[in-house]
Amino acid sequence: DQQVKQNSPSLSVQEGRISILNCDYTNSMFDYFLWYKKYPAEGPTFLISISSIKDKNEDGRFTVFLNKSAKHLSLHIVPSQPGDSAVYFCAASARLETTGTYKYIFGTGTRLKVLA
Amino acid sequence: AAGVIQSPRHLIKEKRETATLKCYPIPRHDTVYWYQQGPGQDPQFLISFYEKMQSDKGSIPDRFSAQQFSDYHSELNMSSLELGDSALYFCASSLGRGAAFFGQGTRLTVV
Repeated sequence: DQQVKQNSPSLSVQEGRISILNCDYTNSMFDYFLWYKKYPAEGPTFLISISSIKDKNEDGRFTVFLNKSAKHLSLHIVPSQPGDSAVYFCAASARLETTGTYKYIFGTGTRLKVLA
Repeated sequence: AAGVIQSPRHLIKEKRETATLKCYPIPRHDTVYWYQQGPGQDPQFLISFYEKMQSDKGSIPDRFSAQQFSDYHSELNMSSLELGDSALYFCASSLGRGAAFFGQGTRLTVV
């Protein structure tokens, strides 16, 4: 049961254009969402996050949009650069009632290739 | 800034052997997570610890165990290794509601 899904396994974009990566989730208990960037054989690197009380968060070239009613979030990268080529994972977090701690569930990843 | 440190970076073991992976979280982070990422797969949650107590358990095999010590470092112990245990193992740490930050991972190869 994949609670966090990234339906596009790969995406190619020209340098300078916008990259849009999508993520869908099923559990309405998720209230905090994150995007990570991952290079081969390295750990995921945190990029940007958004709380469920917001619908947009921006940090430089990266903007995350959250549509709670659709249980959908997206990451926009503008302008895309060749160095952005990596696998991008979205993650959703919920508070565990039993322990008061937080759980992070990852999507399946989207491989972004930015063409020079 | 200090990051999450994992050791070793690479480990080769034979089937049925045991392996111990270590994780040193970011100072003052209160939660440690372990993830397993197989080839072409997304990171799968194994187990987490909050203030040295197990806080959540995911798809961790019974052959695996983990603990968090008084200095907050954590160890993942894997016994009776199988070929299918070959994967990247990531440790992450977080503070409260903040983002989880990951280490560089340990690549375990079981031959």
